[in-house]
Amino acid sequence: EADIYQTPRYLVIGTGKKITLECSQTMGHDKMYWYQQDPGMELHLIHYSYGVNSTEKGDLSSESTVSRIRTEHFPLTLESARPSHTSQYLCASSEGQGRNTEAFFGQGTRLTVV
Amino acid sequence: QQPVQSPQAVILREGEDAVINCSSSKALYSVHWYRQKHGEAPVFLMILLKGGEQKGHEKISASFNEKKQQSSLYLTASQLSYSGTYFCGTEMRGGGSQGNLIFGKGTKLSVKP
Repeated sequence: EADIYQTPRYLVIGTGKKITLECSQTMGHDKMYWYQQDPGMELHLIHYSYGVNSTEKGDLSSESTVSRIRTEHFPLTLESARPSHTSQYLCASSEGQGRNTEAFFGQGTRLTVV
Repeated sequence: QQPVQSPQAVILREGEDAVINCSSSKALYSVHWYRQKHGEAPVFLMILLKGGEQKGHEKISASFNEKKQQSSLYLTASQLSYSGTYFCGTEMRGGGSQGNLIFGKGTKLSVKP
């Protein structure tokens, strides 16, 4: 069973609020990812990290920001939430450079901005 | 950079076979396959690495043509539990894109009794 956790699972928040979605993994994985997925739709990569102090933007432009201060923790922050940010956010992790292994996904955070 | 999957959707009867294809215009390090059921997180099925190495489940098979940057997932003797959306993910070679896992749009598979 994958040891990657996301909190909260569900979040309803008002427009303009600042939010942080948490993602933690206990597998010691170097690579971590954030994906945005609307119901029944594709997975869009919005951020990824190769390790501590490494963050990169993904293919889909996002107003969110991420940080990687510790290996196990990869939080995503929205400074000012808008209804267009309503979506599901999935965090994933995999082993580091040179070891191509599967990605493990968290259960996701379903965000609704009203 | 996004890999292209086909078909977009497929409906099977239990016991029938299916093939899902994934292709990329970029040189690839690896191809991943995942299945996602409604309301759940994607679950790993298979990874194919350049050089021919594969890691995955026994009942799932796949191929990776490195020259054509194409992969196919073979589902044989389908069961009801195979229903879901199948995503291929690719890791590209070289440059700043190496290591970021990009997924295709997915293939919706429905298996009927």
